[in-house]
Amino acid sequence: AQTVTQSQPEMSVQEAETVTLSCTYDTSESNYYLFWYKQPPSRQMILVIRQEAYKQQNATENRFSVNFQKAAKSFSLKISDSQLGDTAMYFCAFMKHVGDQNFVFGPGTRLSVLP
Amino acid sequence: DSGVTQTPKHLITATGQRVTLRCSPRSGDLSVYWYQQSLDQGLQFLIHYYNGEERAKGNILERFSAQQFPDLHSELNLSSLELGDSALYFCASSTGLALGYNEQFFGPGTRLTVL
Repeated sequence: AQTVTQSQPEMSVQEAETVTLSCTYDTSESNYYLFWYKQPPSRQMILVIRQEAYKQQNATENRFSVNFQKAAKSFSLKISDSQLGDTAMYFCAFMKHVGDQNFVFGPGTRLSVLP
Repeated sequence: DSGVTQTPKHLITATGQRVTLRCSPRSGDLSVYWYQQSLDQGLQFLIHYYNGEERAKGNILERFSAQQFPDLHSELNLSSLELGDSALYFCASSTGLALGYNEQFFGPGTRLTVL
């Protein structure tokens, strides 16, 4: 079974600074997808970024980027120029392959952006 | 607003009771996913329906069942409720069958409290 670990239950960062959230996972699969989801206080789950395991290039979405290390089974999220609206729970998630819709989520990291 | 609607927003009931949670996917989306978010278990995938057919099951208890109707809305039925079933239940929808290619959009969730 796949597992996802987020070792940082809580983090804080000053507005405009950069922060990195860690995620590691365990799988024997070679093809899979990784995701970062954001859950602000409104509780709405929002996709931040996703990475396909067979792509070596790290995904980037505006201020959000990932550092995907397949051999180390590590998938960290970097948030640049942090904004107050980035305050949220962040969940790392794993999906085995295209045909398997069984998402496995990590326990989450609560990020607070301080003014 | 993701376009996914869930009713009711809040539900309070007693142990042993049965409840039905409803989800309306985004217009045109054929896939519906159900998730449970609890303090004990975190975020867990429950079940996936595509165009009326069950496609994948996650950690869904036998006391729970779901269906997707011809108009594509979905219902999650929870019976013989226990205190531990108290959680936030999310529905998500996506265009196609494969989440690797299609983003899933989450509803606002239904907060279930079992007393």
